[in-house]
Amino acid sequence: GENVEQHPSTLSVQEGDSAVIKCTYSDSASNYFPWYKQELGKRPQLIIDIRSNVGEKKDQRIAVTLNKTAKHFSLHITETQPEDSAVYFCAATSNQAGTALIFGKGTTLSVSS
Amino acid sequence: DAGVIQSPRHEVTEMGQEVTLRCKPISGHDYLFWYRQTMMRGLELLIYFNNNVPIDDSGMPEDRFSAKMPNASFSTLKIQPSEPRDSAVYFCASGVTEMNTEAFFGQGTRLTVV
Repeated sequence: GENVEQHPSTLSVQEGDSAVIKCTYSDSASNYFPWYKQELGKRPQLIIDIRSNVGEKKDQRIAVTLNKTAKHFSLHITETQPEDSAVYFCAATSNQAGTALIFGKGTTLSVSS
Repeated sequence: DAGVIQSPRHEVTEMGQEVTLRCKPISGHDYLFWYRQTMMRGLELLIYFNNNVPIDDSGMPEDRFSAKMPNASFSTLKIQPSEPRDSAVYFCASGVTEMNTEAFFGQGTRLTVV
């Protein structure tokens, strides 16, 4: 089955700096890679996703890159703000029958002003 | 749509007691997932259903855990007997995965077993 590794587990940056979170996956059949943000005491919510037919996707200050050959994908947040402080989870799955989203262990991002 | 609805939001119970967590998925979603979240292990997939049928329960930690989905709008996760190490936040999520799309999470149930 799929295994997703996520690094780092904690990340502290100054407001305005960039933050990068990296994930690797094991199942070459995986073709959907979402990122979720979880604020303290709340549910995980999707912030951006990427499919295997593209290498990069951007949405304002966040971007995700995918390297299928190396089986890794990354989340990039530019011009970080205090409200970006949260736990970020990467995940992977395929559209094969009998698969589900498998999550990394999460990265706690702290943005100090 | 109100989204995925879980109940209760908080549950405190004594060791050895039975605990039942409930979930109502988003109408029209054909997949339902149960995840457990702890600091040490992150978001662990426990079990998931497709069209009310359990597909993979390999994440269920032990026989004390069981899950059912009697119809498309309701699922339960039961722990009997509960133990302190079961203390965690349990999330239910639903989705339509024909196109590999977003899984929508409920608010979660924070379970404390004392």
